[in-house]
Amino acid sequence: RKEVEQDPGPFNVPEGATVAFNCTYSNSASQSFFWYRQDCRKEPKLLMSVYSSGNEDGRFTAQLNRASQYISLLIRDSKLSDSATYLCVVKSTGGFKTIFGAGTRLFVKA
Amino acid sequence: GAGVSQSPSNKVTEKGKDVELRCDPISGHTALYWYRQSLGQGLEFLIYFQGNSAPDKSGLPSDRFSAERTGGSVSTLTIQRTQQEDSAVYLCASSLDPGFQETQYFGPGTRLLVL
Repeated sequence: RKEVEQDPGPFNVPEGATVAFNCTYSNSASQSFFWYRQDCRKEPKLLMSVYSSGNEDGRFTAQLNRASQYISLLIRDSKLSDSATYLCVVKSTGGFKTIFGAGTRLFVKA
Repeated sequence: GAGVSQSPSNKVTEKGKDVELRCDPISGHTALYWYRQSLGQGLEFLIYFQGNSAPDKSGLPSDRFSAERTGGSVSTLTIQRTQQEDSAVYLCASSLDPGFQETQYFGPGTRLLVL
């Protein structure tokens, strides 16, 4: 089993739609969680950190469920520019190893 | 300010040759990571540096892979006797502090093709 698993998609949604991605992780000692965005043939960039209480940044909302060991990303009012691959990222306490999921591809169409 | 830079941007080599990939992190960033991304795959952690030390090199796939960092800045990833399965994009990232909520800043990557 992979340490971090994501639905690869692709998710094809119209502009203005709400879309949600989930990610599961296997190491219960994981302590830090992030969503990164990667555009085609570009480097990943941090989208947002995921806090235990959940957090929101504009149209983006991230949630963490420690009991079930998954994190989620909700995108509201999708824009064409949201088309990208979304990477779920996990780090363990006291460790430096950063585990990236394989990513979920999103296509937003007009 | 300047971001993370990597060189070369592209490298084509023959099987069995050695290659060196370079990463220049953001000035002042103490943490440096190397990752590998194969076509259509996620990022695979290779090694982590804190300063010039590598407390976690658990991701290096074989003893053909090695990395060093000097002056707490530039890092070099060396692949000896390259194999075709080494073909991938090699990404470097740096961060100011590898703490609980660190942000890793990535370079554009080196695309390695082993023929």
